Amino acid sequence: DTAVSQTPKYLVTQMGNDKSIKCEQNLGHDTMYWYKQDSKKFLKIMFSYNNKELIINETVPNRFSPKSPDKAHLNLHINSLELGDSAVYFCASSQDVGGSETQYFGPGTRLLVL
Amino acid sequence: KNEVEQSPQNLTAQEGEFITINCSYSVGISALHWLQQHPGGGIVSLFMLSSGKKKHGRLIATINIQEKHSSLHITASHPRDSAVYICAVLSGSARQLTFGSGTQLTVLP
Repeated sequence: DTAVSQTPKYLVTQMGNDKSIKCEQNLGHDTMYWYKQDSKKFLKIMFSYNNKELIINETVPNRFSPKSPDKAHLNLHINSLELGDSAVYFCASSQDVGGSETQYFGPGTRLLVL
Repeated sequence: KNEVEQSPQNLTAQEGEFITINCSYSVGISALHWLQQHPGGGIVSLFMLSSGKKKHGRLIATINIQEKHSSLHITASHPRDSAVYICAVLSGSARQLTFGSGTQLTVLP
């Protein structure tokens, strides 16, 4: 059973399009995250979210928005895609908010914007 | 300057060698994570520690809070240990992790 799953695995799209990446966790965790890994393999937090609060990394453009229909899902919506958005996006979850608990990562979504 | 610095950036070892990867950080932290990213891209959490030492199989992680330094050791290394190892910290007032740039480890048979 996959603990944290993401769809799609690969996403190729044109500049200016709007796209979504879905994430689901079956661990019963309260907190979920989105990370971006750039071409130099550098990981950076984008959002962390639980049912109480959304914490947004201040460097994330407002074209990116997380949407959580329920505790097990945190989807990432991206409007007006730009070339620089090409990266691998990882979803993760943990029992509690912040970095004081072990995080479980999804397999990643490779986004290529043409 | 990144808050989290890892060394070395790249490391090649022969099978069986003892390996050390270092992580230094410049801020006070409440927790430090070691992650492993497989060649296929998947990320696995290896350790989360705030003091002392943890051991899991052939992997050992240590942290020295006063010196703001952590090490990840791999004993009897094996080619399947080849991966990128990433250090991440939760700094005092922050609520999110800050990552190092990773260490690419290659273990040759």
